[in-house]
Amino acid sequence: GAVVSQHPSWVICKSGTSVKIECRSLDFQATTMFWYRQFPKQSLMLMATSNEGSKATYEQGVEKDKFLINHASLTLSTLTVTSAHPEDSSFYICSARVSGVVTGELFFGEGSRLTVL
Amino acid sequence: GEDVEQSLFLSVREGDSSVINCTYTDSSSTYLYWYKQEPGAGLQLLTYIFSNMDMKQDQRLTVLLNKKDKHLSLRIADTQTGDSAIYFCAEILIYNQGGKLIFGQGTELSVKP
Repeated sequence: GAVVSQHPSWVICKSGTSVKIECRSLDFQATTMFWYRQFPKQSLMLMATSNEGSKATYEQGVEKDKFLINHASLTLSTLTVTSAHPEDSSFYICSARVSGVVTGELFFGEGSRLTVL
Repeated sequence: GEDVEQSLFLSVREGDSSVINCTYTDSSSTYLYWYKQEPGAGLQLLTYIFSNMDMKQDQRLTVLLNKKDKHLSLRIADTQTGDSAIYFCAEILIYNQGGKLIFGQGTELSVKP
């Protein structure tokens, strides 16, 4: 099956710094990628939909200036947590859909665990 | 509205069948999915069912869909300790730019030897 890779798998940073998380589709092109956030023992919360070549669509309540998304190519989307604070500590998961398949399977990355000290 | 509900915990003995239930609200969902998440990992698609189907079987997995009641279930036959994980059901909401998945809270399945 298709593979989605996230990097880094885990990151620890100091409060006030910015952290970039990469999401790559390794063997397929993904016009659309999704970024989710998951708190311990909780479900995935959709943060934003990342569209190649255009601005991301953010879900209600998600600060777009806080969580910067860039989808510069058909295989790479990045999420930058700017001026991170301890409450941003979470598990961030990306997913990608094969281009042209609107209702097809979503492939998930392995997640990136962010800890802000 | 967008809402997917699941029970939070299920405990079974190895070899028994497990049934995980889910209810959803959007009757226009065309696909419904079951994902598995092991600790500290991403999500793995287990199976999905198209909304015009009542049942789908895939090896040990059986998905039942009751569209009238908006109820989805996942049955795992001969449950093994390796099946211990969190299982998420999800519905897809279609909008003009595509579709997005809405997940339930997840059901933590514990399999006892």
